[in-house]
Amino acid sequence: EVQLEESGGNLVQPGGSLRLSCAASGFTFGNYAMSWVRQAPGKGLEWVSLMSGSETMSYYSDSVKGRFTIYRDSSRNTVYLQMNSLRAEDTAVYYCAKDGVVRGVFDSWGQGTLVTVSS
Amino acid sequence: DIVMTQSPDSLAVSLGERASINCESSQSVLSTSNNKNYLAWYQQKPGQPPKLLIYWASTRESGVPDRFSGSGSGTGFTLTISSLQAEDVAVYYCQQYYDSRRTFGQGTKVEIK
Repeated sequence: EVQLEESGGNLVQPGGSLRLSCAASGFTFGNYAMSWVRQAPGKGLEWVSLMSGSETMSYYSDSVKGRFTIYRDSSRNTVYLQMNSLRAEDTAVYYCAKDGVVRGVFDSWGQGTLVTVSS
Repeated sequence: DIVMTQSPDSLAVSLGERASINCESSQSVLSTSNNKNYLAWYQQKPGQPPKLLIYWASTRESGVPDRFSGSGSGTGFTLTISSLQAEDVAVYYCQQYYDSRRTFGQGTKVEIK
């Protein structure tokens, strides 16, 4: 059974940094791209970042490019999101999502971790 | 980026009636190499992460009831719930995966009338 468990969410001041983690199990980690998707309170889903299974490609939404970095540790089956220069508008539940056999389709999701950016 | 626009933002349907949600993409998500539409649909219930319903615009994920169906091609798509059940109350999202920078529609809330 695929399991994705996010952690690292917290209250942080504007301009601060935070690192999110997503521990994966139940599948061959290196075979699948992993993404971060966020959802601001009461709002819709926003794709944030993606890293390929091979770790050779990464992509970011315009709203986070230059501030956030995605990376993976295959020895720990974990994907991370390093978030710097945080802004109030980054406040959201951050979900980790796994690509399915069909690349680009999110077939498994974690329960999410809440990031609140506020002074 | 490919912009996804859903309509309506919300709809109320009686139990057992049909619900239809539209999704429009700012550019075609139909691949000429494999003739597939790179469009998925998700269901999100309150307090839960999204759940994959449909991919390739019309292929149901394993375990998804057959009252859910997807149609459309190019830039216009529809998710149809043929006979709304109480457990279908949720927000539904379309998502394109034609571009590596994936994007979602803004969501459509489905309620019981």
